[in-house]
Amino acid sequence: NAGVTQTPKFQVLKTGQSMTLQCAQDMNHEYMSWYRQDPGMGLRLIHYSVGAGITDQGEVPNGYNVSRSTTEDFPLRLLSAAPSQTSVYFCASSYSLGSGQPQHFGDGTRLSIL
Amino acid sequence: AQSVTQLGSHVSVSEGALVLLRCNYSSSVPPYLFWYVQYPNQGLQLLLKYTSAATLVKGINGFEAEFKKSETSFHLTKPSAHMSDAAEYFCAVSTNTGNQFYFGTGTSLTVIP
Repeated sequence: NAGVTQTPKFQVLKTGQSMTLQCAQDMNHEYMSWYRQDPGMGLRLIHYSVGAGITDQGEVPNGYNVSRSTTEDFPLRLLSAAPSQTSVYFCASSYSLGSGQPQHFGDGTRLSIL
Repeated sequence: AQSVTQLGSHVSVSEGALVLLRCNYSSSVPPYLFWYVQYPNQGLQLLLKYTSAATLVKGINGFEAEFKKSETSFHLTKPSAHMSDAAEYFCAVSTNTGNQFYFGTGTSLTVIP
């Protein structure tokens, strides 16, 4: 009964480093997404996927890369970390947005870029 | 495109008082509407959803919301606030023609003892 699992929970990086935020779901959901949450700005969509092998950009995709090789996993890659990417990152999944299904969220990854 | 506006980034109520959190949406097609709650250092948890059935939707923890098409609103209410209701609340919209959720900027609820 894990739901959406994000790892790591906390991470500190130096400017220019790269890293991958992991996201896995065990609900056989087709739709997965990544958001960043910043004070006063709500949740902003970075990338999303409607199924294995299919990804698309959201509102704030620059500096981030994604892939979806399996239904279960949707990793988010920071190519060259910048202080502006300091944020809390949430992964979410849904059976189908088009039928009004809600998204289920992970507990988040708190990322600091020095 | 769709959008959500949450009026009031901070709301304070006394314990036992009515909670009213406002959400207005914009959508050119019939919307699906959601309220989520976020407790400190946690992810978002679904409170309730509207998907074109009953316009008055009941959720968890005693919350409910009413869909009003004429006012393009989906306000969240609870008759009597508890200390445990202190959290951040997000309204969101999606549609059957899109691939995205659109979130409001959130309302932080403080409950005063």
